[in-house]
Amino acid sequence: QSALTQPASVSGSPGQSITISCTGTSSDVGGYNYVSWYQQHPGKAPKLMIYDVSNRPSGVSNRFSGSKSGNTASLTISGLQAEDEADYYCSSYTSSSPWVFGGGTKLTVL
Amino acid sequence: QITLKESGPTLVKPTQTLTLTCTFSGFSLSTSGVGVGWIRQPPGKALEWLALIYWNDDKRYSPSLKSRLTITKDTSKNQVVLTMTNMDPVDTATYYCAHKVAGTIAFDIWGQGTMVTVSS
Repeated sequence: QSALTQPASVSGSPGQSITISCTGTSSDVGGYNYVSWYQQHPGKAPKLMIYDVSNRPSGVSNRFSGSKSGNTASLTISGLQAEDEADYYCSSYTSSSPWVFGGGTKLTVL
Repeated sequence: QITLKESGPTLVKPTQTLTLTCTFSGFSLSTSGVGVGWIRQPPGKALEWLALIYWNDDKRYSPSLKSRLTITKDTSKNQVVLTMTNMDPVDTATYYCAHKVAGTIAFDIWGQGTMVTVSS
C-alpha cells in the first residue's frame, strides 16, 4: 500500500480544470516543501511536471500548477486538453524513506 | 542534454540476484547535489522508489527492501549499478533510473525503463 493517497481516477472535459489530491502526513507532505508531480503516458517513462510543491520545470505548460495545504498537496490542470490524459503520481520527501510515491491517478479527458 | 539508459537481464529466476546498470550522459555524478535513483513499476501498478546514490557516495535505500539492495557508482564510466538479491515473482516490474536535481528531491530526467520478469 502506497504511503501517499491519491484518488484512483478523475475526469474532465476539454477546457475544464481538474484537481488531483495527494494526502500524506506531517512526516511527509505536511512536513516538507518537497512534493513533486509526474505525468506518465501508457508505455512511457514518467515526466516531471511540478517540483517543490509549486515549481514548474522549463518546458512544462503553465496550465499545470501545484499547491499544498497541511498534509494534502494538489495538482491542478487548467484548460484540459486531450493530451493531458495520462496517469499522474505525486511524490514527497519523507523522514523515513526518504522518497515515497502516491498510488497514482488516472486522468480521463471526456 | 541529460540522458539515462537502463540495461540488464529481461528474465531472472526466483532466488537469483538481479544486476541493473544505468548508463548516463550530460551530467557528472561528481557535481555537488546530484544523484541517480532507481524506481520500479510492476505492471499496472504504482511507482516505487528503491534506492539513490549521491555525488558524494552517500546512499539511501527503501526501508522495505534495504536488506536486498546495493547501489554503487562508477563516475569514470558514468554508470550506476543496482543489485537486488533473492528475486521473487513479485519483483517483476519495469525498472527506471533517473537523475535527481540538485537542491531538491525531484527526478527531472528518467531513462526509458527496462522490464524485468522473474519466473522459473
